[in-house]
Parts: sequence; C-alpha cells; structure tokens
Amino acid sequence: GAVVSQHPSWVICKSGTSVKIECRSLDFQATTMFWYRQFPKQSLMLMATSNEGSKATYEQGVEKDKFLINHASLTLSTLTVTSAHPEDSSFYICSARDRTEKDGYTFGSGTRLTVV
Amino acid sequence: DAKTTQPNSMESNEEEPVHLPCNHSTISGTDYIHWYRQLPSQGPEYVIHGLTSNVNNRMASLAIAEDRKSSTLILHRATLRDAAVYYCILRFGNEKLTFGTGTRLTIIP
Repeated sequence: GAVVSQHPSWVICKSGTSVKIECRSLDFQATTMFWYRQFPKQSLMLMATSNEGSKATYEQGVEKDKFLINHASLTLSTLTVTSAHPEDSSFYICSARDRTEKDGYTFGSGTRLTVV
Repeated sequence: DAKTTQPNSMESNEEEPVHLPCNHSTISGTDYIHWYRQLPSQGPEYVIHGLTSNVNNRMASLAIAEDRKSSTLILHRATLRDAAVYYCILRFGNEKLTFGTGTRLTIIP
C-alpha cells in the first residue's frame, strides 16, 4: 500500500530557531498533502493543505508566515516552523492520498517537536 | 462540515468483538464515512470506509444504518494491538479530513 515517510521523527531546537519537517510520498504522486498538529491528549488539528506547485491553503488561525509550507514536487512537501517558541512544541503529522488506491489517506509517522 | 459524535472511551476484553459506535445525524448524501485509528505516538492509520452498504476488510467491518445517521465499526476479535484512539470522520469527495475527539479503546488482557 501507499507509504508516506516523514522526517525527522523527533527534533529538539532552541527557541528562536527554525525547523524543517519533510513529508514524502513513496511510490505514488501526491498533488495534495495535508499538515496536522496534535497537542498531548488532544485530537489532530488541520493546519494547512499543501498543493503541488502553488501556495498552501491555511486553516483559520494558523499563521502562514510562521508555518511555511513548500510543495515543490509531486512527492515532497515541507513544513518549516520559523522562529520556534516553546508553545510550538507539538506532534506534527502529514498525510497524502494515493489516487490510484480506493482506500483513504495515508499518514506519516509524525514529528515530535520540542522547543527549549 | 457534518459532525460526528463518539463515546470518549470504551473497554473490551481481549479476543472478544468490539463495536464502536458513531452518530452522524447531519450527514449528507455524498459524505463517505471513514474510520481511522491512532496508536500512541504514531500517525493515524486508515481502517475502513463506506457510503451506504456495509463493508468488510481484513481489519474490520463497517455497519452503516439504513438512514446513514449512524455507523458502527466492528473489530471481530480484539487484540492488545487494537488499543488505540478510533476516529469516525465524514468526508466529501477529496476534501480534507477533519478529526473529532474519537474513542479511546482499551483492551483488557
């Protein structure tokens, strides 16, 4: 089945620095990818929809200048958390859909970001 | 977006069937019913989806009410590895998935 690879699986960074998270679709092309954030003991919250070759669509309340999304190819989307602060510490998850499969969306394994 | 309502938590004994309910009284005719589950510290995993008819796959079965206002995910023989948060989600076309709070399933050995 479809596989989405997310890297890194965890990262610790200093406050004020930027962190890039990669999301790759393996063996299939994804014109659309989705980025979620999940705080402890809470559900997934959709942050943005990443569209290949065009600007991402952000959900209400998500700062587009802080969470930069780039979807430069059909198999790679990146999320950059700029000027990270401790409140940005969270579990970030991406997903994509292989349109050749009848099943649902495939999710990455997530990236746990800790800002100190 | 049409909403879903699930119990916050459920418990089941190992090797017994589990029935996870979901209410979606405002579902529209074109909404698909999707189920995903999330194990601790992992991304969600697709379980099953359906539109009107009951569906079976290697992981589970999905029973959809005739009026489509509710559905039930059935795990035929629960194992400890089935302990997870199960999300019932309505999806129209290729739109984004909006997650609710889900049901935390605990399996008792």
